[in-house]
Amino acid sequence: QSALTQPASVSGSPGQSITISCTGSSSDIGGYYYVSWYQQHPGKAPKLIIYEVSNRPSGVSNHFSGSKSGNTASLTISGLQAEDEADYYCSAYTSSRTHVLFGGGTKLTVL
Amino acid sequence: QVQLVQSGAEVKKPGASVKVSCKASGYTFTDHYFHWVRQAPGQGLQWMGLINPGSGFRTTYAQEFQGRVTMTRDTSTTTVYMELSSLRSDDTAVYYCARDVRTGDAYSYASDMWGRGTMVIVSS
Repeated sequence: QSALTQPASVSGSPGQSITISCTGSSSDIGGYYYVSWYQQHPGKAPKLIIYEVSNRPSGVSNHFSGSKSGNTASLTISGLQAEDEADYYCSAYTSSRTHVLFGGGTKLTVL
Repeated sequence: QVQLVQSGAEVKKPGASVKVSCKASGYTFTDHYFHWVRQAPGQGLQWMGLINPGSGFRTTYAQEFQGRVTMTRDTSTTTVYMELSSLRSDDTAVYYCARDVRTGDAYSYASDMWGRGTMVIVSS
């Protein structure tokens, strides 16, 4: 099954806000609330920043927020900081036998 | 503190099997499901399956790995294992174990704690 669709790259200046989209289908993002987002720095394991569409794990900054509309989920990072520069992956449960899909990843550059 | 410590890197020949371990500490082992996720060099993430480390010992595997992957656990050592057989060159990847964010008999397909990863290289 195809991965979820994310833009390959986004960029923004410190203090700005950016949004990363993640598009799927009614079998995954549109049908369930099991959408999550991960941040991954080079050579490191992914870090969970959003789960179940809009929940933040304990200890994750509130300048990360998540939402979804129809078959598209979004991650918004407000007040960009240099340390936000990383790869971001969306993930969603799917009713197919793949069970969980990931997006291809979005590289965020803080200018 | 909560930790997931994975076994070391492996080099295998095509057709062989590899078994990766993941030892959990710092919390009640049976409280959270585990996921296994892999990442090929320079590529994105791929979910492989999940395992309930508790008495139910439920496993669910992604269709892409059905018949080749086996996930097990040892509650006495608080360790989960992932064995992948019939290895191919495109199985070369970092394999991660990760703990589901939800507790009890619930799971959210989201992982709040990850191991550092185990590099598996498949090469003749």
